[in-house]
Amino acid sequence: DTGVSQDPRHKITKRGQNVTFRCDPISEHNRLYWYRQTLGQGPEFLTYFQNEAQLEKSRLLSDRFSAERPKGSFSTLEIQRTEQGDSAMYLCASSPENAQYNEQFFGPGTRLTVL
Amino acid sequence: AQSVAQPEDQVNVAEGNPLTVKCTYSVSGNPYLFWYVQYPNRGLQFLLKYITGDNLVKGSYGFEAEFNKSQTSFHLKKPSALVSDSALYFCAVRLRMDSSYKLIFGSGTRLLVRP
Repeated sequence: DTGVSQDPRHKITKRGQNVTFRCDPISEHNRLYWYRQTLGQGPEFLTYFQNEAQLEKSRLLSDRFSAERPKGSFSTLEIQRTEQGDSAMYLCASSPENAQYNEQFFGPGTRLTVL
Repeated sequence: AQSVAQPEDQVNVAEGNPLTVKCTYSVSGNPYLFWYVQYPNRGLQFLLKYITGDNLVKGSYGFEAEFNKSQTSFHLKKPSALVSDSALYFCAVRLRMDSSYKLIFGSGTRLLVRP
């Protein structure tokens, strides 16, 4: 257990529905990341927060995706009008402010299945 | 484009034998390099990293990795494999000039250690 938690662990939804995932990072970590991992691939970067500010978004993050970190603590990732191609493992990671040489700590992930 | 290659989808080795999981990278500049391991239904766990200095880096669970600048490689090694080492291994790079510190992952290598 790295100390990063994600909820839910599994989500099955029908195409067109909205889903929201939550990530609770390690409490003193300012940096928070979302990645997406599809079957047979490595994780791909989606977005990055420093405290409550969303500082970078990948081209993978379409308009249907939105992420927030309202108080600089937990973060949510929402997918609107889900598509079957959204089926993947969504991973959250965190690291300290001065993390130049530090690794990221990953949560267990939320596995999304879109039917 | 920045990329990480793990040329082997799967590596099979007998318990007690040495193992090597290969990783090469193609990025601008000199990156920071990482290895992570993923067990079923669990998040990524950090194994080791190369930042600077000695090309041979030692990490968790007896793993080590050798950085080779001329070959742009960062192969993961262990002198004597255990059945419990069977898992999915990911190599990742972080660009020194990237202020987000996001990770770029390879596609992963499944390690199977047979008794």
